[in-house]
Amino acid sequence: GAVVSQHPSRVICKSGTSVKIECRSLDFQATTMFWYRQFPKQSLMLMATSNEGSKATYEQGVEKDKFLINHASLTLSTLTVTSAHPEDSSFYICSARDLKGQPNTGELFFGEGSRLTVL
Amino acid sequence: AQSVTQLGSHVSVSEGALVLLRCNYSSSVPPYLFWYVQYPNQGLQLLLKYTSAATLVKGINGFEAEFKKSETSFHLTKPSAHMSDAAEYFCAVSPRRGSSNTGKLIFGQGTTLQVKP
Repeated sequence: GAVVSQHPSRVICKSGTSVKIECRSLDFQATTMFWYRQFPKQSLMLMATSNEGSKATYEQGVEKDKFLINHASLTLSTLTVTSAHPEDSSFYICSARDLKGQPNTGELFFGEGSRLTVL
Repeated sequence: AQSVTQLGSHVSVSEGALVLLRCNYSSSVPPYLFWYVQYPNQGLQLLLKYTSAATLVKGINGFEAEFKKSETSFHLTKPSAHMSDAAEYFCAVSPRRGSSNTGKLIFGQGTTLQVKP
């Protein structure tokens, strides 16, 4: 299957700093990527849909100024948590679909996730 | 709106026993359905998917799931549990292409599978 890579896998930062998480599709092009947030022992909550070359679409309740998303190329989307606070500590997971040559079956390929800890 | 409900947040079975993880969906039209597995501190790995071909879908690691439209269910099963199957399992739904498909997945709450020796 297609490979999606996230970096960093773990990051610890001080409160008030900003943290950038990268999501790359390694062997396919992704016009759309998705960012999810997962709290311990809970399901994945969609934060936003990242669209290459245009603004991200945020889910209700997600602060767009807090979670900046940039999708500058067909293989890279970034999530920046600005002025991070302890309550932003979470597991962030990105995903993408490989649409090339295949009908859209809705399957998503997921990155390994990035665990953010804000002190 | 589409939704997914996983019955049972925690399932415990003995090694070698049948695994049954339940998933029910709500959708006005049959959606695409997926089961993903997540190991600690990792992303999600696709186990299997239903996209309107055969209603009994076989996936990796011996798992399979059956789409039952009349019951709006897509339960995941495995005849014989292994210790390595212990993980978090998520059922997910996605609208079909041609509808308002933004491509996003809607996940169930997840079920933790514990396998006892």
